[in-house]
Amino acid sequence: QQPVQSPQAVILREGEDAVINCSSSKALYSVHWYRQKHGEAPVFLMILLKGGEQKGHEKISASFNEKKQQSSLYLTASQLSYSGTYFCGTAGGTASKLTFGTGTRLQVTL
Amino acid sequence: GAGVSQSPSNKVTEKGKDVELRCDPISGHTALYWYRQSLGQGLEFLIYFQGNSAPDKSGLPSDRFSAERTGGSVSTLTIQRTQQEDSAVYLCASSLGGTGGNEQFFGPGTRLTVL
Repeated sequence: QQPVQSPQAVILREGEDAVINCSSSKALYSVHWYRQKHGEAPVFLMILLKGGEQKGHEKISASFNEKKQQSSLYLTASQLSYSGTYFCGTAGGTASKLTFGTGTRLQVTL
Repeated sequence: GAGVSQSPSNKVTEKGKDVELRCDPISGHTALYWYRQSLGQGLEFLIYFQGNSAPDKSGLPSDRFSAERTGGSVSTLTIQRTQQEDSAVYLCASSLGGTGGNEQFFGPGTRLTVL
């Protein structure tokens, strides 16, 4: 089952904040976040694991509510370079595949 | 160090022909994944390798699609009798160990166009 992301798209002015949400109907072991710029491959941002461990870039902030099977990615003081499509990927176990959401398109303008 | 590489970067083929797409993962990465991304869409999982075996091939769309991995390294995705709906970017990714707790590193993709 594909996780649901919201919003589908958002436009920000540089310096504004945004929250991207990811929701799953299944119990999760981990949530992964990736950003993809147009014509490029997805790039890793963060992993949030059941039990509270997180791995990722220092400037990225995210949360994982295991009980609700939801995760949120927090983008603060946005920069032009934040523009792209953000995907969450969910895994049900340590050796499970990642199932990606439909993506959230973020555009940061001057 | 070298990242994930894929070849060819672009492939144009005629309907009905077979194609082979290649992925070279990062050295030492035991897990390898294939995804398909249609224009403006998300990442569709195709198959996952751990070493040379494929514990999950549930995403392969039909029996025209197959993949193998040899020596725990290079993987080849083969599409037989290509159809126009196979047109997409095929992305390969690798990771250390299982997906659950490890980031995936993506290759640049192969853009497949079936005429």
